[in-house]
Amino acid sequence: NAGVTQTPKFRILKIGQSMTLQCTQDMNHNYMYWYRQDPGMGLKLIYYSVGAGITDKGEVPNGYNVSRSTTEDFPLRLELAAPSQTSVYFCASRRRTGGDQPQHFGDGTRLSIL
Amino acid sequence: QKEVEQDPGPLSVPEGAIVSLNCTYSNSAFQYFMWYRQYSRKGPELLMYTYSSGNKEDGRFTAQVDKSSKYISLFIRDSQPSDSATYLCAMREGGGGKLIFGQGTELSVKP
Repeated sequence: NAGVTQTPKFRILKIGQSMTLQCTQDMNHNYMYWYRQDPGMGLKLIYYSVGAGITDKGEVPNGYNVSRSTTEDFPLRLELAAPSQTSVYFCASRRRTGGDQPQHFGDGTRLSIL
Repeated sequence: QKEVEQDPGPLSVPEGAIVSLNCTYSNSAFQYFMWYRQYSRKGPELLMYTYSSGNKEDGRFTAQVDKSSKYISLFIRDSQPSDSATYLCAMREGGGGKLIFGQGTELSVKP
């Protein structure tokens, strides 16, 4: 059982480049999330999805886009990379029913914009 | 004022010590309270979960929620070097609500 898988694990981008961070889960979870984690700042929600075809903005969506064409996949797109987007990005998923359902996290993508 | 505030740490204790980690919050609608543990270069993993007020114990870990004071705590008894990690509190309103995380406290348990 792989859980939540994120690729790539590390990436260095130049300012203005674009890239897609991949996230896939094999637990048939409806809810999926993208967070960024900066030192001493906890986790900030970028975008989330409650099911295929449905996405919504979180706390810090500017500069990012998402899509959810299948239950399993929830890619995060950076169109014009900026130094402020240097961070560790985490994808998470959870079951829809039950408030006690935990979020399952991937191991993150470490992204540097130079 | 941040919605969730967590003691910043870092915290360094000797092996066997009792550790207390704390968070305060401002939103009285929060009902679900969680503690996540995050090892270096890994994603967070759920450690403890509590619904509404009260205590919950799991082995060496005890989670407490005091909704009247808007204060939650995680106690670790007989701390071990393997407990060295960053601990994040998190909470949300209803079952479908978004999780709001604290800043995280880095704990180091020295042998």
